[in-house]
Amino acid sequence: NAGVTQTPKFQVLKTGQSMTLQCAQDMNHNSMYWYRQDPGMGLRLIYYSASEGTTDKGEVPNGYNVSRLNKREFSLRLESAAPSQTSVYFCASSEVLSVRDYGYTFGSGTRLTVV
Amino acid sequence: AQSVAQPEDQVNVAEGNPLTVKCTYSVSGNPYLFWYVQYPNRGLQFLLKYITGDNLVKGSYGFEAEFNKSQTSFHLKKPSALVSDSALYFCAVSPVGSASKIIFGSGTRLSIRP
Repeated sequence: NAGVTQTPKFQVLKTGQSMTLQCAQDMNHNSMYWYRQDPGMGLRLIYYSASEGTTDKGEVPNGYNVSRLNKREFSLRLESAAPSQTSVYFCASSEVLSVRDYGYTFGSGTRLTVV
Repeated sequence: AQSVAQPEDQVNVAEGNPLTVKCTYSVSGNPYLFWYVQYPNRGLQFLLKYITGDNLVKGSYGFEAEFNKSQTSFHLKKPSALVSDSALYFCAVSPVGSASKIIFGSGTRLSIRP
């Protein structure tokens, strides 16, 4: 049981380059999320998808786009990377019942550096 | 606005001593409350939760948390700290019935010295 899988684990981009962070879950969860983690700022929600076919902005959506490809997969795209997007990115998933049991299930993160 | 506050960026404790990591929240209704732990280069791991019932809840690795409704607090505690408890700890709340948008605190780095 893999849970939430994120790829890649590490990435270095040049300013202006684009890339897509991939996330897949095998728990049949309806809801999926993308967070970024920065020192002293905790976790900030970028985008989330409450169910397949829907996406909504979170706290810090600027510079990002998302795609809920199917129930399993939720990708995050940086169209033109900026140094301010240097961060650790976490994908998470949940279900109404699973939130009651243990909140979210998190992936292991993608460490992105933009130079 | 709904929010979670962890007032301490860092907590330093000697091994064997009791530890407390503080958390207060501002959420309407009776939310679910969680603590997560993050070890270096890892994702967040569920530690414990409060849904309803006994105000003292027990979780993994000997941790427990005390829910105080009047003070809207959910402090994480452990009677005797271990060096291996050193990690980043996040408090989080979820409005009842919502699978979306758990609100996380900013995190507290716990450092246990031998």
